[in-house]
Amino acid sequence: DIQMTQSPSSLPASLGDRVTITCRASQDIGNYLRWFQQKPGKSPRLMIYGATNLAAGVPSRFSGSRSGSDYSLTINSLESEDMAIYYCLQHNEYPPTFGGGTKLELK
Amino acid sequence: EVQLVESGGGLVQPGRSMKLSCAASGFTFSNYGMAWVRQAPTKGLEWVATISYDGSSTYYRDSVKGRFTISRDNAKSTLYLQMNSLRSEDTATYYCTRGLQWCPWGQGVMVTVSS
Repeated sequence: DIQMTQSPSSLPASLGDRVTITCRASQDIGNYLRWFQQKPGKSPRLMIYGATNLAAGVPSRFSGSRSGSDYSLTINSLESEDMAIYYCLQHNEYPPTFGGGTKLELK
Repeated sequence: EVQLVESGGGLVQPGRSMKLSCAASGFTFSNYGMAWVRQAPTKGLEWVATISYDGSSTYYRDSVKGRFTISRDNAKSTLYLQMNSLRSEDTATYYCTRGLQWCPWGQGVMVTVSS
C-alpha cells in the first residue's frame, strides 16, 4: 500500500499567518492527490484536487503544490474559519490512502 | 443541490450484521462510482470500499474483504454497505462519497460494535 506521511500532526498558528502542510508519498502517485478539511462534528470537505486545483467554493487563500513526492497545502493569511483538521489522500491506486491528518489550531 | 444522506447505523453486537444506506440526490447517480470511508472515534479517515458506476466492479480494503459488501441500486439512487461479522474495530462513523471526485460527502452515520 502507498503510505502518505503527513506533517506536522499539529500546527499552532496565528490569524494572518501563512501555513504549509505537507504529505510525502511512499511511491509515485502522479497528481492523484487531494486535500480535505474537516471541522469538529462535520464531514470532510474537498479543498484541492489534482494536487494543485482549487475545488469549487474554496477561498483563493488556499493553494496546493507538488515537489517530487512531496505535496503541500498552503493557506495564506489564516482566518479563524480555517481552524480544522486537514487530510491528504492519494487515489492513484487501490487502496486509496489518507495521511494521518494535521490539526491546525490557534496559537 | 448534490446531496448524500446515510442511514442505518447504531449499536450492534460483535459478530452480528448491519446494513448502511446512502441516498443520493441532485445528480445522475448512475453515472458515478461511489465509495464508503470510515473514521473511528478521534482517529483519521480510512477508505473502506468503492463500487463502479454500474456495480460491475468493487474494491475493498483488506480488513473488510469477505465481511463487507458494497452494492448499489441505480433505480433508487442508493448506495449500500452490508457489514457482516462485525468487530469492535469496525466501530466508526461511516461516510459515503462520490468516488473519483471524492465529493461531496454525506453527514456520516455512527456504527458502534459492542456487547
